[in-house]
Order: sequence, then C-alpha cells, then structure tokens
Amino acid sequence: ETGVTQSPTHLIKTRGQQVTLRCSSQSGHNTVSWYQQALGQGPQFIFQYYREEENGRGNFPPRFSGLQFPNYSSELNVNALELDDSALYLCASSRLAGNTGELFFGEGSRLTVL
Amino acid sequence: AQSVTQPDIHITVSEGASLELRCNYSYGATPYLFWYVQSPGQGLQLLLKYFSGDTLVQGIKGFEAEFKRSQSSFNLRKPSVHWSDAAEYFCAVGAGYGGTSYGKLTFGQGTILTVHP
Repeated sequence: ETGVTQSPTHLIKTRGQQVTLRCSSQSGHNTVSWYQQALGQGPQFIFQYYREEENGRGNFPPRFSGLQFPNYSSELNVNALELDDSALYLCASSRLAGNTGELFFGEGSRLTVL
Repeated sequence: AQSVTQPDIHITVSEGASLELRCNYSYGATPYLFWYVQSPGQGLQLLLKYFSGDTLVQGIKGFEAEFKRSQSSFNLRKPSVHWSDAAEYFCAVGAGYGGTSYGKLTFGQGTILTVHP
C-alpha cells in the first residue's frame, strides 16, 4: 500500500508568480485535503476535495484553487504569489465512507516566495 | 468556531522521564480528537485518536491520551521518554465522518519536545 506522495519537495518562486503543487493519494482513499503550515505554526486547512469537487474551504482567498482527478490525485494552485505564501504545504488523504476523520499526510512541499 | 490551544510551546525532559503535553479544545459538538507528531522536515504522523467510548486511548510508540469533557482537554502522556521522541507534537480537533467539514482539522500551534540524554 503506497502512502501519500507530494511533489515537488522544495521550490522557490518570486512574488507574483504562480505555482502548482501535486499530490497522489494513498491507495483506496477518495478524499484529499490541503493544509498550509507556516514556520512555527500548526497546519491550517485550505480546502478539501471529494468526487472531483471542492467540499469545504478554510479562510483562504480565491487565488488558492485546486483540482482532484478521477484517480484521486490532486493539485493545489496558487496565483499571484505573496511573500506570506511561503510555507510547507501538506496534502492529506482519507476514505470518506466508513472512516472517522483520520487523515494521512504526505511529507509536504516547501514553498519559498522571494 | 472550533479551536485548539497547546499552552506549552517548548518542553524539555530527560530521557526516561515521564511526559505530559497539554491540549485544550473548543468545539460545539462531540469532538473528534487527534494527536500528530512531526519530525523536522517531515509530514504529520498520527499518534492516536479519540472518537467515542473509553476516554483513555492508547496510541503508537507507547503514547496515551485522556479525554476529559468537563475540562475540554485531551492531554498526551508517555511514562518514559526516549531520545527518538524529540519532535513537534500537534493536537487537532475535527468534525469526523459525515460533516461537510469532514476533512477539516483544526490544529494547535504545536509543542516542541526536546529530550536530554
């Protein structure tokens, strides 16, 4: 059983650019959530996808968007990057039915915005 | 709105000593509670979870946590700490299965654990 994998692991962008982060869910999981973890903080919920649709969103602006594909992999897109977007972005997958909220996290993509 | 408070930002213990990490939550319904651990540069690993039933839950690596509804607390404990336990620990509260915010966990700020030999 493969776990949650994320790519790239590290990347550097400049302010105003756009970035796409990718996530492959754990086998058998159909729900994916994205979190932003700023340095020294706990993770903050960005949004969740189920059946290729956004199903819950945290307090993040529309320039944060996502996709979920039929194979349950996912992308996080951030437009018009700002310095405060520098963070570790974590993807988490779960199985909606028959589960009780446990999330399985990848190791994250560390984004630096200069 | 749900929230989690971890009062201790940094805790230092000696190897072999006991450990208790504090967590207080605010949630309007029956909470689903979790403790995760994060090693430097790594993702989050689930230590244990509470949904219902016995208020003392056992997790991996010898950790346990006790849910106390009257105190809105879910403290993490370990009787004897190992050097490999040094990491950052996060308490989280969620809605669990069935809610539209199913995948949403609210995390505390974390507690960094340092273990002295």
